[in-house]
Amino acid sequence: AQKITQTQPGMFVQEKEAVTLDCTYDTSDQSYGLFWYKQPSSGEMIFLIYQGSYDEQNATEGRYSLNFQKARKSANLVISASQLGDSAMYFCAMREGSSNTGNQFYFGTGTSLTVIP
Amino acid sequence: DADVTQTPRNRITKTGKRIMLECSQTKGHDRMYWYRQDPGLGLRLIYYSFDVKDINKGEISDGYSVSRQAQAKFSLSLESAIPNQTALYFCATSDGGQGSPYTGELFFGEGSRLTVL
Repeated sequence: AQKITQTQPGMFVQEKEAVTLDCTYDTSDQSYGLFWYKQPSSGEMIFLIYQGSYDEQNATEGRYSLNFQKARKSANLVISASQLGDSAMYFCAMREGSSNTGNQFYFGTGTSLTVIP
Repeated sequence: DADVTQTPRNRITKTGKRIMLECSQTKGHDRMYWYRQDPGLGLRLIYYSFDVKDINKGEISDGYSVSRQAQAKFSLSLESAIPNQTALYFCATSDGGQGSPYTGELFFGEGSRLTVL
């Protein structure tokens, strides 16, 4: 079974609108971390946001927020007020185990987001 | 200068050649990883290391070997390159959640694009 599932290969959003990128995960661990990374066309991987499995509040970082629904095992990324520079590939990832004991990170297949002017 | 540096950034080689991709980091992290990225498959873990004497196989280690020469250096070798090893390779580091905030996210190098003809 896939550890991380991203079901949207490609998404389009109008500039200044909000967009939600879906991510579901599969783990039997009680302690885990969820991450989103952005990969622009230049290729580098940029860390966006983190959610710990014990965090009760949804994580937010500027225009990024993570909609964490633990019972549904989903960790969707919400980008508000989209900008042209948000056009990129977005990867959801999970680290099983706590931050100091977990070792492997699992990545989804990514969602390509295009922001339309 | 980048905190995680990969060399070479681009390499074209022929089937059967030995290739080494090098990674060095100035972040002081103990944990280092090698991933490969293929279109539509996301990132897959090749090898990881938690310290100089610790080397672990990842999901797709066949055909690859690694060397952790120092805390700051982690090299990936393809002993006899084949065309299906054509991919974008990433080195990454993590502090294992020792930093603040305790997210333990991966910090990536800029990637090494390898083409095997």
